[in-house]
Amino acid sequence: AQKVTQAQTEISVVEKEDVTLDCVYETRDTTYYLFWYKQPPSGELVFLIRRNSFDEQNEISGRYSWNFQKSTSSFNFTITASQVVDSAVYFCALSLSSGNTGKLIFGQGTTLQVKP
Amino acid sequence: DAGVTQSPTHLIKTRGQHVTLRCSPISGHKSVSWYQQVLGQGPQFIFQYYEKEERGRGNFPDRFSARQFPNYSSELNVNALLLGDSALYLCASSQRIPGGYGELFFGEGSRLTVL
Repeated sequence: AQKVTQAQTEISVVEKEDVTLDCVYETRDTTYYLFWYKQPPSGELVFLIRRNSFDEQNEISGRYSWNFQKSTSSFNFTITASQVVDSAVYFCALSLSSGNTGKLIFGQGTTLQVKP
Repeated sequence: DAGVTQSPTHLIKTRGQHVTLRCSPISGHKSVSWYQQVLGQGPQFIFQYYEKEERGRGNFPDRFSARQFPNYSSELNVNALLLGDSALYLCASSQRIPGGYGELFFGEGSRLTVL
């Protein structure tokens, strides 16, 4: 079975602090894709990053960075020097390449509150 | 360019009624997916359509149905509404069949309340 677990339900930090959002996934497939989405209060899910299972190179994009480790089935997301505008619900998601069903399996989400 | 548009944005129905939700994908996108997001949870996959054909179906009862039109817009229909159908219904489009090949672009959703 495929599953995504985001153990942190809510995180609250003060502006300029660094924060890491955890994501653990389960799948028996060898080819899969991992995603992070951000959901602001408007409701729209905003794509942040996609990673395939063969690319474990970590990535940094501005204040965002991602740490993908197959050995621990984790795909963690770090925001450096957080800002109030980063406040949102963040979802980690898993997609399998087999079947082409277009199905994303989402975690429960982590609500991030950045206080001024 | 316009993003994914959904209508209506909010609606209230009573138990037993029927609802139709509409979605217009980004221009050039041929794939549309529907997700249900209950308050406090992650989105759950309902359907995916590509080139007007159903390509995937989630674990939802037959009360849920959908279709895609020649212009690639889509409708999600839910019959015999239950209180548990109250949720945010999200539509997403992509250029090709998703599931790893490309990211999904989501609309802002239709918030359904069933009383």
